[in-house]
Amino acid sequence: DAMVIQNPRYQVTQFGKPVTLSCSQTLNHNVMYWYQQKSSQAPKLLFHYYDKDFNNEADTPDNFQSRRPNTSFCFLDIRSPGLGDAAMYLCATSRPSGTGVSYEQYFGPGTRLTVT
Amino acid sequence: GESVGLHLPTLSVQEGDNSIINCAYSNSASDYFIWYKQESGKGPQFIIDIRSNMDKRQGQRVTVLLNKTVKHLSLQIAATQPGDSAVYFCAETLSNDYKLSFGAGTTVTVRA
Repeated sequence: DAMVIQNPRYQVTQFGKPVTLSCSQTLNHNVMYWYQQKSSQAPKLLFHYYDKDFNNEADTPDNFQSRRPNTSFCFLDIRSPGLGDAAMYLCATSRPSGTGVSYEQYFGPGTRLTVT
Repeated sequence: GESVGLHLPTLSVQEGDNSIINCAYSNSASDYFIWYKQESGKGPQFIIDIRSNMDKRQGQRVTVLLNKTVKHLSLQIAATQPGDSAVYFCAETLSNDYKLSFGAGTTVTVRA
């Protein structure tokens, strides 16, 4: 089945120790998104890639970076995690152009990040 | 059935009753709306969508109503089941955009 996969599902890192979260998709969608979601809140968009074009949200801290080496994979790098970065990180994809245009976003299961 | 007139963060529903979840959206130019369901520890899952040229759309046990005059969206769940317990989010976007704007979620708890 076509899907969005996130690894790992649970990640524990130490304060200040860099961490990378990964996302892959088999949907061949051209847009990939990273969201941060804290308890009882709506997902907050950090940034997204439209094909190879990176688009950062204005209020995303510099501590968060992303890489998209190819269509299928996207990574979220947190350079120096703080206690406030503990959250669920969601990856999503969409296909807003080309054949089969859809504005729906398909979400992965998320990675729960704990900072100790 | 049980409903909330305005958006409330929580909704408790008796199993078998109908649920109504409300959402006020922010952009009068938005022309595409989605309801997502998020179960504990999982990513949001698509439930149903509606375009601004419609005021009602039905799915399996769910109905979405759109009132553009007051920028209001609602999700009706018929015969609520324990598996419907989750957080529900509405989201809006413009059809020439590809970023969703999420509303505050509503936590639905189904009582046996």
